[in-house]
Amino acid sequence: NAGVTQTPKFQVLKTGQSMTLQCAQDMNHEYMSWYRQDPGMGLRLIHYSVGAGITDQGEVPNGYNVSRSTTEDFPLRLLSAAPSQTSVYFCASSYDGIAAEQYFGPGTRLTVT
Amino acid sequence: TQLLEQSPQFLSIQEGENLTVYCNSSSVFSSLQWYRQEPGEGPVLLVTVVTGGEVKKLKRLTFQFGDARKDSSLHITAAQPGDTGLYLCASRGGATNKLIFGTGTLLAVQP
Repeated sequence: NAGVTQTPKFQVLKTGQSMTLQCAQDMNHEYMSWYRQDPGMGLRLIHYSVGAGITDQGEVPNGYNVSRSTTEDFPLRLLSAAPSQTSVYFCASSYDGIAAEQYFGPGTRLTVT
Repeated sequence: TQLLEQSPQFLSIQEGENLTVYCNSSSVFSSLQWYRQEPGEGPVLLVTVVTGGEVKKLKRLTFQFGDARKDSSLHITAAQPGDTGLYLCASRGGATNKLIFGTGTLLAVQP
């Protein structure tokens, strides 16, 4: 199993550009989440999904959209990038629930100039 | 909102030394997860503690859950350079029912 995969590994955007961060898992987990990690702030939940077709907002959802059309894929869309969205983004999946043990992807380092 | 405080923030030690890092909360934990994150990678789960007073061992790592379930510690015996990384604790965030992470302890083990 590949586990949780994320692409791209690195990305540089200009302010106002849009892009999609890809996330896929092959463990048949129902629960998937997106986190951002900033220095001194820990990991903060952006959006999550409890199954295909079901998504909800986390702690810091503004400026991001998600969809979950299949169990495997959970893309994160930045609508109009801002410098405040410079961060490292992690996708995670779980078998038991959003607050249960998480399996993380390798992350995407995003810089917005 | 439940907050998880981790200490120390940074720790630099020599290979072979012992160390302890801490995770404390203002509220009672339902359970607590410990993760290790190596540079450039995502966090990897080390252990979950559930019962107050519980002690779990993972090779040279010993995890302890406080009797009152408001604190936890991670003790590493004879640290090795491969232990270098960010150690994160996480717990269900009270009424939000989401996973809340501490800000982590960054450990550097010098050879």
